[in-house]
Amino acid sequence: SAVISQKPSRDICQRGTSLTIQCQVDSQVTMMFWYRQQPGQSLTLIATANQGSEATYESGFVIDKFPISRPNLTFSTLTVSNMSPEDSSIYLCSVDVGGPEQFFGPGTRLTVL
Amino acid sequence: QKEVEQDPGPLSVPEGAIVSLNCTYSNSAFQYFMWYRQYSRKGPELLMYTYSSGNKEDGRFTAQVDKSSKYISLFIRDSQPSDSATYLCAMSALLNYGGATNKLIFGTGTLLAVQP
Repeated sequence: SAVISQKPSRDICQRGTSLTIQCQVDSQVTMMFWYRQQPGQSLTLIATANQGSEATYESGFVIDKFPISRPNLTFSTLTVSNMSPEDSSIYLCSVDVGGPEQFFGPGTRLTVL
Repeated sequence: QKEVEQDPGPLSVPEGAIVSLNCTYSNSAFQYFMWYRQYSRKGPELLMYTYSSGNKEDGRFTAQVDKSSKYISLFIRDSQPSDSATYLCAMSALLNYGGATNKLIFGTGTLLAVQP
């Protein structure tokens, strides 16, 4: 398994601003993933971040809105840009450690006013 | 049709009851099946991971997979109030090799309340 931390744990932001969420893992991992969990809905994969290459985005998510950095094997950031109330959600990062199962961070609860 | 269907509940049971949580799926390419537990305001925690059809037991938890029916279950024996949480099923199909990602598809989660 892996121990994952996220910062901030929660934030309240104004419409039109941007927020960067950090994800730190206690061991080196190849793949890091970013998910969104909207109220009453399942987790939806935003993108996969592989160190040393551009993130791969899922259908419906674009780099201009959700830029991702992956500077090393233990760290990644997700930025939610030009936020609107529809972006209010829980944002989760996860990692895999060689198998198909993934381990999740505690999440960042974002509210956009 | 969603790829993964899960009864959202809520499900309320008395302490000590046997709980059955279920998911169905439509994509026959799914090979790996997981159950996560998510407490309120926490991230999902991996409970069980199975690959083949059949049962896998871990303490009070049993995961069951029936690939022919595209149906998976999680059974909780002797349920405790501390089991109160949302339970998420998740599945993946290994897309390809050499740096491929394992994309998890989640159910919507079942909210379970175990009453003392």
